[in-house]
Amino acid sequence: EVQMVESGGGLVRPGGSLRLSCTASGFTVSSNYMGWVRQAPGKGLEWLSVSSTGDYTYYADSVKGRFTISRDNSRRTVYYQMSSLKTEDTAVYYCVRVRAYGSESFWFDYWGQGTLVTVSS
Amino acid sequence: DIVMTQSPDSLAVSLGERATINCKPSQSVLSSTNNRNYLAWYQQKPGQPPSLLIYWASTRESGVPDRFSGGGSGTDFTLTISSLQAEDVAVYYCQQYYSAPMTFGQGTRLEIK
Repeated sequence: EVQMVESGGGLVRPGGSLRLSCTASGFTVSSNYMGWVRQAPGKGLEWLSVSSTGDYTYYADSVKGRFTISRDNSRRTVYYQMSSLKTEDTAVYYCVRVRAYGSESFWFDYWGQGTLVTVSS
Repeated sequence: DIVMTQSPDSLAVSLGERATINCKPSQSVLSSTNNRNYLAWYQQKPGQPPSLLIYWASTRESGVPDRFSGGGSGTDFTLTISSLQAEDVAVYYCQQYYSAPMTFGQGTRLEIK
């Protein structure tokens, strides 16, 4: 069974940093693109980042330069380093397994349960 | 960025009846190279993460009941549930993957009448 479990969410002050982790099971992480999507409380979905099976990473403009996606295939884990956090980054962050086509076409076939990040003073 | 607009924002349908949700990208998501529409649909039940229903506008994901179908092309798409079941109560989202950044519609809340 495909499963992703996120951890690392919590309360952080504006300007602070946080690292999320996503540990996967039921499939080979190294053979899959992985990513992050967030959902602000009561709001819709926002794509954030994707890590390819190679060394390529892709970011939405809203997080480019502040957030970094990385992976440790040996640990079946994807990381999301978030810095310079803003109140508008408050959201549930979902780890997703990505289906990719061509260079930058991504859709998301499995989702973790999500971890809540709250940015507040 | 491609703006995805869904309609209606909410919808109430009787059990066993048809439900139709619309999605309109601000520009065409039909590729002239491969004649495919770069559009997916997701279902998010209360308290759960989204799950993939349909991709390439009309290809049902494995395990998705055949009462769910996707249609349309270019800038007009629909998600149809042919006979609404109680377990279909959810928010439904469309997403384009034609060009970065990937963008989602605002969601359509489906309830039982």
